[in-house]
Amino acid sequence: KQEVTQIPAALSVPEGENLVLNCSFTDSAIYNLQWFRQDPGKGLTSLLLIQSSQREQTSGRLNASLDKSSGRSTLYIAASQPGDSATYLCAVRRAETSGSRLTFGEGTQLTVNP
Amino acid sequence: GAGVSQSPSNKVTEKGKDVELRCDPISGHTALYWYRQSLGQGLEFLIYFQGNSAPDKSGLPSDRFSAERTGGSVSTLTIQRTQQEDSAVYLCASSLNFRGGYTFGSGTRLTVV
Repeated sequence: KQEVTQIPAALSVPEGENLVLNCSFTDSAIYNLQWFRQDPGKGLTSLLLIQSSQREQTSGRLNASLDKSSGRSTLYIAASQPGDSATYLCAVRRAETSGSRLTFGEGTQLTVNP
Repeated sequence: GAGVSQSPSNKVTEKGKDVELRCDPISGHTALYWYRQSLGQGLEFLIYFQGNSAPDKSGLPSDRFSAERTGGSVSTLTIQRTQQEDSAVYLCASSLNFRGGYTFGSGTRLTVV
């Protein structure tokens, strides 16, 4: 059974700081890994999708890396802003021929203080 | 449409009543998923539709829950005889195929009183 763990559970940083969120998963047989953000009372917004054959993806100030063999991914946020405050969720998609669900971590709650 | 649309955005119902939640996926997306998120909890998988294949219902918590997807597009999640523990945000997502990334809707917040 796939298990996804995110560390830390919560993080509070001053504006402008660079930060790293960590995600680990137990089963390396995945199609892809996806990072989402969730604002309070809202749905999930996709940030980055990394296919199993890729090592990293970048979008603006965000960079996500994937080391499938070791079961790890990191989300790097450069020059953090108060608007980055949200819960960040990591999810992996199992490699099954008939299709599969995403397995989510519990999330990292990020607060960026002005 | 441009995104995944869910309705209603909020629903308050009395215990014991039936409710229907609707999801309109992105046009052309063959895979559709329902998850729920209880207060302060992680996302719980409910059901998955892929094209014309039989749905994966393994996440439905009880036989009071059912879902259908008509014409490979719109999906309806039905909860019969609602209980207070059904109160949660119900999220729908779609993907182009079974390997693609997910796009989520904004969710339906269900409150059972």
